[in-house]
Amino acid sequence: GAVVSQHPSWVICKSGTSVKIECRSLDFQATTMFWYRQFPKQSLMLMATSNEGSKATYEQGVEKDKFLINHASLTLSTLTVTSAHPEDSSFYICSAPNLGGTTGELFFGEGSRLTVL
Amino acid sequence: RKEVEQDPGPFNVPEGATVAFNCTYSNSASQSFFWYRQDCRKEPKLLMSVYSSGNEDGRFTAQLNRASQYISLLIRDSKLSDSATYLCVVTTDSWGKLQFGAGTQVVVTP
Repeated sequence: GAVVSQHPSWVICKSGTSVKIECRSLDFQATTMFWYRQFPKQSLMLMATSNEGSKATYEQGVEKDKFLINHASLTLSTLTVTSAHPEDSSFYICSAPNLGGTTGELFFGEGSRLTVL
Repeated sequence: RKEVEQDPGPFNVPEGATVAFNCTYSNSASQSFFWYRQDCRKEPKLLMSVYSSGNEDGRFTAQLNRASQYISLLIRDSKLSDSATYLCVVTTDSWGKLQFGAGTQVVVTP
């Protein structure tokens, strides 16, 4: 099946720094990718939809200037958490839709666990 | 009220036993339903879609009850490797409107 690779898996950073997370589709082209965030014991929450060649669509309550998304190619989307603070510590997961399948089938990256000190 | 609600568990199940749990959804316009499996600190992976007539995949059986707005997952002959959190996912057929439940934890014990 399709593979989505996400990097880094773990990142620890100091408060105020920026962190970039990469999400790559390895054997298919993803014109759309979704970025989710998951806090412990909670459900995945959609942060934004990344669209190749155009601006990302952010969900209500997600600061677009804080969570910068770039989808520069058909196989790469990046999420940059700018000026990270401890409350940004979370599990960030990207995913790409299986457009050849039923709506709702997603291929997830391995996730990136961010800890902001 | 959350759009998708699940009993967080944990459901402690002896190996070989059967376990079943539900997921309720609030949007009556929901069209597609899925069960995903998420291992600890890992990404979710699609377990199975849920069809209107109910469907089975090996030891796993999924049911949909539109009238009462819930879906269920039953696991027969539980294996230790079935220990995971099972996420219910519901959508109105719009990719941006996928709603995830917080998950039901299943722990299969020897």
